Amino acid sequence: AQSVTQLDSHVSVSEGTPVLLRCNYSSSYSPSLFWYVQHPNKGLQLLLKYTSAATLVKGINGFEAEFKKSETSFHLTKPSAHMSDAAEYFCVGLSGGYNKLIFGAGTRLAVHP
Amino acid sequence: GAGVSQSPRYKVTKRGQDVALRCDPISGHVSLYWYRQALGQGPEFLTYFNYEAQQDKSGLPNDRFSAERPEGSISTLTIQRTEQRDSAMYRCASSSNRARTDTQYFGPGTRLTVL
Repeated sequence: AQSVTQLDSHVSVSEGTPVLLRCNYSSSYSPSLFWYVQHPNKGLQLLLKYTSAATLVKGINGFEAEFKKSETSFHLTKPSAHMSDAAEYFCVGLSGGYNKLIFGAGTRLAVHP
Repeated sequence: GAGVSQSPRYKVTKRGQDVALRCDPISGHVSLYWYRQALGQGPEFLTYFNYEAQQDKSGLPNDRFSAERPEGSISTLTIQRTEQRDSAMYRCASSSNRARTDTQYFGPGTRLTVL
């Protein structure tokens, strides 16, 4: 079964500086990986997904993630943080033969002026 | 078009009462999922439907929890004899299921508080 580990529970950055949210995965086979974002009082929204195609995946709102098999990582990055990026971010894997999502514990991103 | 909707958005109930949470998926989506999210944690899988068939209920915590999707569209998650530990955000998602990695679209959730 696949599992994901988010290495930071909280990340704080200044507006305009880069964002790095870290995620490691464990899987005995080629994984499918996702990043979801949850804004306060809103539903979960898909940022991007990796499905064994290009290792660098571009998502919405300027986010991207790189799948690194040698490091079993799928870190989420953004070159320049915006105040509206403040939210909780979840790294997500896929279990078994169908679409059962396995969520990490989440990373809360704070963006300061 | 309309996204996934859930009702009620907030539910406060007393211990021992039954509650029913409703999920209305995106029109045409054949797959429907229920997740539960405790405070400070990521969502955890509860159960999965393909059309009206409940394909996996391995995540349901115990037999007080049940779910149905009788006509392959709207789904209801029922919790009988609620306990304080059932307090959480209950999230529903749907997908078209054309491929294993199809995006799951989430509703806003129902926050359940058991007093």
